Amino acid sequence: ETGVTQTPRHLVMGMTNKKSLKCEQHLGHNAMYWYKQSAKKPLELMFVYSLEERVENNSVPSRFSPECPNSSHLFLHLHTLQPEDSALYLCASSQDGGRGGWGYTFGSGTRLTVV
Amino acid sequence: GQQVMQIPQYQHVQEGEDFTTYCNSSTTLSNIQWYKQRPGGHPVFLIQLVKSGEVKKQKRLTFQFGEAKKNSSLHITATQTTDVGTYFCAVPDYSGAGSYQLTFGKGTKLSVIP
Repeated sequence: ETGVTQTPRHLVMGMTNKKSLKCEQHLGHNAMYWYKQSAKKPLELMFVYSLEERVENNSVPSRFSPECPNSSHLFLHLHTLQPEDSALYLCASSQDGGRGGWGYTFGSGTRLTVV
Repeated sequence: GQQVMQIPQYQHVQEGEDFTTYCNSSTTLSNIQWYKQRPGGHPVFLIQLVKSGEVKKQKRLTFQFGEAKKNSSLHITATQTTDVGTYFCAVPDYSGAGSYQLTFGKGTKLSVIP
């Protein structure tokens, strides 16, 4: 248990489905992140939330929609995905961007397959 | 945004041999972090380097930050099968909104042949 919990661990969805990924951190951190990990781009930053406000979206397609209702919870809402969106989606948290010397704490990820 | 080049992409070594991965940036870095991801796992923070020329050790792992703070290396002495995984470096990236996040290198995947 890393202190960052992601659910579900595995998800298979059709291209017309709507699903959500959930992330919860128990570390009291003030920033949370969504990363996409695939063979082509090992760790690709998608979204950053600092103090519950989104500060970066890195030109992610609108079929991915993040939500951060409070400093402990982060969601990634998915709709009308494409097969190329199949990947491991990792949530991470940090205190002050990780600059304090403790780095990012990652969750175990959600393995997403789009069929 | 900030970019960092990490080499090699893959490394296969015989158990007991040494291993080194390198990260290079075109700009001066305030710090650099290193992570390890085991097969089927998630990245785990190893260490942060801040000072020019800094060297830190964790058992058989030696981390170095270059004098110009533009490059860094991770060296493993006498590899073991438990060292298998992908090693990532990560560097700070400041967005226009003033936030601070990490940009990760592409990683070096280490295989150890017993």
